[in-house]
Amino acid sequence: QKEVEQDPGPLSVPEGAIVSLNCTYSNSAFQYFMWYRQYSRKGPELLMYTYSSGNKEDGRFTAQVDKSSKYISLFIRDSQPSDSATYLCAMSPTDSWGKLQFGAGTQVVVTP
Amino acid sequence: NAGVTQTPKFQVLKTGQSMTLQCAQDMNHNSMYWYRQDPGMGLRLIYYSASEGTTDKGEVPNGYNVSRLNKREFSLRLESAAPSQTSVYFCASSESKNSPLHFGNGTRLTVT
Repeated sequence: QKEVEQDPGPLSVPEGAIVSLNCTYSNSAFQYFMWYRQYSRKGPELLMYTYSSGNKEDGRFTAQVDKSSKYISLFIRDSQPSDSATYLCAMSPTDSWGKLQFGAGTQVVVTP
Repeated sequence: NAGVTQTPKFQVLKTGQSMTLQCAQDMNHNSMYWYRQDPGMGLRLIYYSASEGTTDKGEVPNGYNVSRLNKREFSLRLESAAPSQTSVYFCASSESKNSPLHFGNGTRLTVT
């Protein structure tokens, strides 16, 4: 069983809707949680980064971590067609990225 | 500003052939990484170099070798390619082992 599980989608939403993404994990040692966005034929780019539990907001993006449930979420408000991409969660037990574990990614399609 | 540059972008090999994937970064980063991305599997770390002169195995190192040629360049070598090594390979760099990763746009490798 993989340490990080993520629904592959695709998740299709109309423009302006809220996109809700999540990952579950099994390793209770994970402390650092990240969300990456990956456009087709491109490398991943970091969107959000949180440490331990709680919420973090950055513009239209909100990341939530619930360590008691081993569950993390990313919400995208007022979604735009330019948000169409694959979203990868990633997590690590330490602040050394040599231990980073990625989810398989969820494909999001925002239709005009 | 190029960031992380990977060459080649595409490559087709026959089983048993060898090749080297090149990666260079112009951000003066200390740490560099090689990942592979397969459908449904997420990104998996092959090797990383925390600093110039050091390299360490990641999650899936078998069949690969790496060289940290200097601070800018980190190459990945397949000595005898196998069909199981068909994948998209991403190089990444970070300022330190606990700074965000910056990814290149990948090398798409097919082994027949």
